[in-house]
Amino acid sequence: SQQGEEDPQALSIQEGENATMNCSYKTSINNLQWYRQNSGRGLVHLILIRSNEREKHSGRLRVTLDTSKKSSSLLITASRAADTASYFCATDRGNQFYFGTGTSLTVIP
Amino acid sequence: GAGVSQTPSNKVTEKGKYVELRCDPISGHTALYWYRQSLGQGPEFLIYFQGTGAADDSGLPNDRFFAVRPEGSVSTLKIQRTERGDSAVYLCASSLTQAVFSGANVLTFGAGSRLTVL
Repeated sequence: SQQGEEDPQALSIQEGENATMNCSYKTSINNLQWYRQNSGRGLVHLILIRSNEREKHSGRLRVTLDTSKKSSSLLITASRAADTASYFCATDRGNQFYFGTGTSLTVIP
Repeated sequence: GAGVSQTPSNKVTEKGKYVELRCDPISGHTALYWYRQSLGQGPEFLIYFQGTGAADDSGLPNDRFFAVRPEGSVSTLKIQRTERGDSAVYLCASSLTQAVFSGANVLTFGAGSRLTVL
């Protein structure tokens, strides 16, 4: 069964706005990762945050991790139409990865 | 190759038939994963290989599903007596294996094989 759940399931915003999506998971982890999937394509790795980190930045992406609440959030700032995709969190324990249900983001030009 | 290659990209078959899906991982990646993704859902773990051996096959739904990786590179996912419920996109991913406590494996995915069972 999948480890994580993202919310919201779907998010629609105007270009230039920020998009925030959340992930909750069930068990202890080594790392948490976020992946993006464009329609009809495979997943692409975006960012990884280790269990001993609380926040990480990469370009327009900001990820937070709260291991006490077993939750993470992904913030995309200054969104662009090209950010339209599904976003998944993935928890890893060693060499096993479990994905959440995903957030479908639509950025309206 | 430069990325993870999956063939075929699309496969339509009839209920009861046998299907093979192939994955060619990134050269040198020792870990290989198969996932199944239904419409509107996240990838569901099926099986994980470390080298030639299946390190974890707990996600295979039943004994109709089987996967091999005989030389530690290319893998084949085999589905016997296909059922309509097997229709999904089958994703393959590979990664370099890092020491467990240094963490930091990142998956590189192929584009997937879309299986439709009529």
